[in-house]
Amino acid sequence: KAGVTQTPRYLIKTRGQQVTLSCSPISGHRSVSWYQQTPGQGLQFLFEYFSETQRNKGNFPGRFSGRQFSNSRSEMNVSTLELGDSALYLCASRRDSLYEQYFGPGTRLTVT
Amino acid sequence: GENVEQHPSTLSVQEGDSAVIKCTYSDSASNYFPWYKQELGKGPQLIIDIRSNVGEKKDQRIAVTLNKTAKHFSLHITETQPEDSAVYFCAASTGPGGTSYGKLTFGQGTILTVHP
Repeated sequence: KAGVTQTPRYLIKTRGQQVTLSCSPISGHRSVSWYQQTPGQGLQFLFEYFSETQRNKGNFPGRFSGRQFSNSRSEMNVSTLELGDSALYLCASRRDSLYEQYFGPGTRLTVT
Repeated sequence: GENVEQHPSTLSVQEGDSAVIKCTYSDSASNYFPWYKQELGKGPQLIIDIRSNVGEKKDQRIAVTLNKTAKHFSLHITETQPEDSAVYFCAASTGPGGTSYGKLTFGQGTILTVHP
């Protein structure tokens, strides 16, 4: 069974630009969560989507947004990029009724 | 909200020794406690988990224990091997039936180094 896939794997953007990251969950998984990983703050929850609806949101500014499509694929968008947005962005998927979450390899975003 | 503290931040052991990583959580509603292993350049990999209705769970060389009263849980790795070297994260969640759905709150991570 294919795992969680994320594209692109690496991105370099300039301050003020916006970026869109993509995540394809494991087949049959309808819940997708996004996390930001930085050396200083560790792994922090961004939001979770299920059936195209955002069910939960972490403590991030409104510049961070996401969406989910009918095939469960998800995208997250960061507008007006800041240097502090440089991080590894991880996507995780799970079956809605189950506890286990499986992570993708992440997208490494560098903001210059 | 939930807060998870993880110790130690770094752990160095000799091959064949045991390694123990400890975490404490604050929200008594948390009922699911997974452990993840993250290798360089990869995403976190789920290695073992435990639910609050169980006190201990083992899978070959790894085991996790949970003390609900004290709100702490631990990862035990026996007979460590160099390939166990990685960053390990604990996490806590109220589970899919809880108000936070699938949200995981992570500890700060432990860098485990196993010397041959």
